[in-house]
Amino acid sequence: AQTVTQSQPEMSVQEAETVTLSCTYDTSESDYYLFWYKQPPSRQMILVIRQEAYKQQNATENRFSVNFQKAAKSFSLKISDSQLGDAAMYFCAYRSALGTDKLIFGTGTRLQVFP
Amino acid sequence: DVKVTQSSRYLVKRTGEKVFLECVQDMDHENMFWYRQDPGLGLRLIYFSYDVKMKEKGDIPEGYSVSREKKERFSLILESASTNQTSMYLCASSLRTSVNEQFFGPGTRLTVL
Repeated sequence: AQTVTQSQPEMSVQEAETVTLSCTYDTSESDYYLFWYKQPPSRQMILVIRQEAYKQQNATENRFSVNFQKAAKSFSLKISDSQLGDAAMYFCAYRSALGTDKLIFGTGTRLQVFP
Repeated sequence: DVKVTQSSRYLVKRTGEKVFLECVQDMDHENMFWYRQDPGLGLRLIYFSYDVKMKEKGDIPEGYSVSREKKERFSLILESASTNQTSMYLCASSLRTSVNEQFFGPGTRLTVL
């Protein structure tokens, strides 16, 4: 069975600085998808960024980028030029390319952003 | 914009009560999901449905059932609520495509007394 591990329950960053959130996963599959979701306080969970395992190039969405290391089974999220609105719970998630569309989530990292 | 709505933001029920949590999506998505979110445990899948009247158990289905009579609506049922079912419940939906994004509702915080 696949597992997703987020080893940092909490992180903090100063506004305008860069922060990296860690995620590792375990799978025997070669084709899969990885996601980072953001859950702001009292607001809906939204997708931040996704990565297809067959793509070597790291995904980027504006200030958000990932460092995808397939051999190491690592999928970290880098937030550049952090803003107060980035404060949220961040969840890493895994989805197999086979079978159903289920997501397997990590336990989350709470990011605080200080002015 | 995709919209996923849940019938209540906050709900307080008593032990033994039958509880219905409703979820509606407006984007004709095939897949719908019910998750439970607890601190330190992340999101855990309770049940999901990939079509009307179809359902599959997730990782923690015990004590729950679901119903999907219409494509846009997915209900989570607690037949006899217990205190250990106090939690945040999140509904999500997605298209059945290769790199589909799940869209989430606002969540229902259920307290069972």
